[in-house]
Amino acid sequence: AQSVAQPEDQVNVAEGNPLTVKCTYSVSGNPYLFWYVQYPNRGLQFLLKYITGDNLVKGSYGFEAEFNKSQTSFHLKKPSALVSDSALYFCAVRAPRGYSTLTFGKGTMLLVSP
Amino acid sequence: EAGVTQSPTHLIKTRGQQVTLRCSPISGHTSVYWYQQALGLGLQFLLWYDEGEERNRGNFPPRFSGRQFPNYSSELNVNALELEDSALYLCASDDRGRRTDTQYFGPGTRLTVL
Repeated sequence: AQSVAQPEDQVNVAEGNPLTVKCTYSVSGNPYLFWYVQYPNRGLQFLLKYITGDNLVKGSYGFEAEFNKSQTSFHLKKPSALVSDSALYFCAVRAPRGYSTLTFGKGTMLLVSP
Repeated sequence: EAGVTQSPTHLIKTRGQQVTLRCSPISGHTSVYWYQQALGLGLQFLLWYDEGEERNRGNFPPRFSGRQFPNYSSELNVNALELEDSALYLCASDDRGRRTDTQYFGPGTRLTVL
């Protein structure tokens, strides 16, 4: 069975500082990995995904993520945080075969202070 | 291009009642997914429909059911509502259910069971 762990319930960072939101996964085979963001009382917005190729993936709003196969990680990063980045972030994995679906982590709340 | 739409936005029901939630996918998308986001439980996969067929089902009781129509819109039905069914129900769609596809989410339906 596939699973995703987001070890931090909350990450606090000052505006202008770099941010990292951690994600590790467990899946049989090569994973398909996704990051989504959720603002209060809204649905999820897609940020970026890793399917294959370059381990560094660039996405929306200046976010990027690095796929590390040996550490089974897919951490979300941004060089300079904005207050408007404050939201709930979800990492998700999908297995590479069968009628697999997205499995989400429990989410990490990012709080960016002015 | 219109995104995924869901109706209604909010719903209040009492225990034992039945509810129907509706979802319209992005134009051209054939796959529709339903997720439950309950407080403290993260996002849980409910159902996946593609081309009118149920492709996969999450670990939910049979009183959660749904269908997909020829125009690819979908309904989620929940019978015999219980208090713990209170949650945000999210619908997502993608092109064809390919594992590399990005799922795009609607704004959700907030269900409150009293």
